[in-house]
Amino acid sequence: GENVEQHPSTLSVQEGDSAVIKCTYSDSASNYFPWYKQELGKRPQLIIDIRSNVGEKKDQRIAVTLNKTAKHFSLHITETQPEDSAVYFCAAPHTGFQKLVFGTGTRLLVSP
Amino acid sequence: DTGVSQNPRHKITKRGQNVTFRCDPISEHNRLYWYRQTLGQGPEFLTYFQNEAQLEKSRLLSDRFSAERPKGSFSTLEIQRTEQGDSAMYLCASSLARGGNEQFFGPGTRLTVL
Repeated sequence: GENVEQHPSTLSVQEGDSAVIKCTYSDSASNYFPWYKQELGKRPQLIIDIRSNVGEKKDQRIAVTLNKTAKHFSLHITETQPEDSAVYFCAAPHTGFQKLVFGTGTRLLVSP
Repeated sequence: DTGVSQNPRHKITKRGQNVTFRCDPISEHNRLYWYRQTLGQGPEFLTYFQNEAQLEKSRLLSDRFSAERPKGSFSTLEIQRTEQGDSAMYLCASSLARGGNEQFFGPGTRLTVL
């Protein structure tokens, strides 16, 4: 089945810096890769996703890149702001099934 | 509010009691998922429905757990004879069958088993 690894587990940056979170997946048939942001005590919120037919997708300060050959995908946040502080999860679908397999999360702290 | 809703938001119960949670998906979404999340971890899949059919169940879902979606709209998750290890956040998500697999989560039900 699918296995998703996520790094780093914690990331501290200064406001205005960039942040990069990386994930690897095991199943070469996976074709959809979402990223979720979860603030303390709140629901996971879908912030961006990418499908296997593209290599990069951007939405304002957030971008996701996908390298299918290496089986890894990354979340890039530019010009970080204190409100970006949260736990970020990557995910990939289990082959042939609808369920998502989540990474272990990255706690991002943006200091003013 | 047109998002996924869950009730109750918090449940405290004693070990051995039965509990039931409810999820109302986004109205046009025909797929509904249950996940469990413990502190410091990502959500773990429990089960999934397409319309009223339960199409997949995780090995995490012991025989004490049962889920239903009788009319293809809201769903219930019941845990019988609760154990302290069942303490977790139970999250529901929904998605459309066509067009992709964007899953949108509800606020969750936090279960504490004493």
